[in-house]
Amino acid sequence: DGGITQSPKYLFRKEGQNVTLSCEQNLNHDAMYWYRQDPGQGLRLIYYSQIVNDFQKGDIAEGYSVSREKKESFPLTVTSAQKNPTAFYLCASRRDSANEKLFFGSGTQLSVL
Amino acid sequence: QQQVKQSPQSLIVQKGGISIINCAYENTAFDYFPWYQQFPGKGPALLIAIRPDVSEKKEGRFTISFNKSAKQFSLHIMDSQPGDSATYFCAASINSGNTPLVFGKGTRLSVIA
Repeated sequence: DGGITQSPKYLFRKEGQNVTLSCEQNLNHDAMYWYRQDPGQGLRLIYYSQIVNDFQKGDIAEGYSVSREKKESFPLTVTSAQKNPTAFYLCASRRDSANEKLFFGSGTQLSVL
Repeated sequence: QQQVKQSPQSLIVQKGGISIINCAYENTAFDYFPWYQQFPGKGPALLIAIRPDVSEKKEGRFTISFNKSAKQFSLHIMDSQPGDSATYFCAASINSGNTPLVFGKGTRLSVIA
């Protein structure tokens, strides 16, 4: 089955700790995205990458970092600088930045201990 | 600044009724307007999308109505069913500019029997 796999499903972070959320896709898509979802806030863009080894900040990039070393993988690190990390994180991809349809993973729920 | 404003925040509809969700935008450069459906604990999935060159698009029980002059678009769900209960997001992008999707804040729809 082709798709986007996010792991883990649930993640807990201690104060001052960095945590990394995994996102892998086997759709051969060029473009990948990270969104944060908070109740009543919709989906807000954290980072996106249109091609390997390149990425751009979204609307709420502060306290987050990403890498795009492989086409299939776009991990997101939530750093200790992100003071309010509790949220549902969604990874998405599309064939290229000009192709409209966005495919989403099943999300990671991050909570602070 | 919210680029896409969605209303209502929540909606309760009787089974068999019509569900209507509205979105408004400011940026006249937007040229792609999708609607996504999200079930609890899952990632959103593309439901239906429209471009500004048409005023309406229908797929089964789902219809998008688009008013370019008013900068508004809406989702109509005919013969609403309990299985339609989900959160719906409108979105917009400037596809010719390869920009990421901008999402509304979402509408939680409950269809009751």
